[in-house]
Amino acid sequence: DTEVTQTPKHLVMGMTNKKSLKCEQHMGHRAMYWYKQKAKKPPELMFVYSYEKLSINESVPSRFSPECPNSSLLNLHLHALQPEDSALYLCASSLRTANKETQYFGPGTRLLVL
Amino acid sequence: AQSVTQLGSHVSVSEGALVLLRCNYSSSVPPYLFWYVQYPNQGLQLLLKYTSAATLVKGINGFEAEFKKSETSFHLTKPSAHMSDAAEYFCAVSGTGGYQKVTFGTGTKLQVIP
Repeated sequence: DTEVTQTPKHLVMGMTNKKSLKCEQHMGHRAMYWYKQKAKKPPELMFVYSYEKLSINESVPSRFSPECPNSSLLNLHLHALQPEDSALYLCASSLRTANKETQYFGPGTRLLVL
Repeated sequence: AQSVTQLGSHVSVSEGALVLLRCNYSSSVPPYLFWYVQYPNQGLQLLLKYTSAATLVKGINGFEAEFKKSETSFHLTKPSAHMSDAAEYFCAVSGTGGYQKVTFGTGTKLQVIP
């Protein structure tokens, strides 16, 4: 089973709202990632978690707050977002963060900020 | 630093014709290379990956890619295009860095004409 699930599929929020994106995998992967993808662009890495600890933050604004409560779950908490944050947010996982591990992606959450 | 270049942001082929999507890589160490496909409003699905075991790699849905070190290329091919192949295709490279850093190309949108 190489499945990464994400909820919700779609999310519309105002700039004063607080919402969370959820990602889940049961493949025993110990590395999980958040990517942001704007229309007609490749994914851009936001965060990397390794063994439930944040290992990489690609200079993401603090209005995005990741959380990894256990080895299967990854959340992305959203607060005071801007319209330019509207994008497809993709979660991925890999066995480890070692080089050359294959990343498996979820279907994404399409976020619209009004 | 590692990078990939995808030649042609849009490629159109007739149904039943050969599909050829081009990818050239740049890496200071032997890379791992990936092709991902993204259907409209969906996440990324791994098509195939090169891990140095064999230069000709077969993937899902009839796609294959050949690693050519002399040309620093990893082009994706399929002998006969199907309407369902219409999607965005991303070439990606992984191989250096202290963590799982995957660098994506800018993508090629494949259109299949009936």
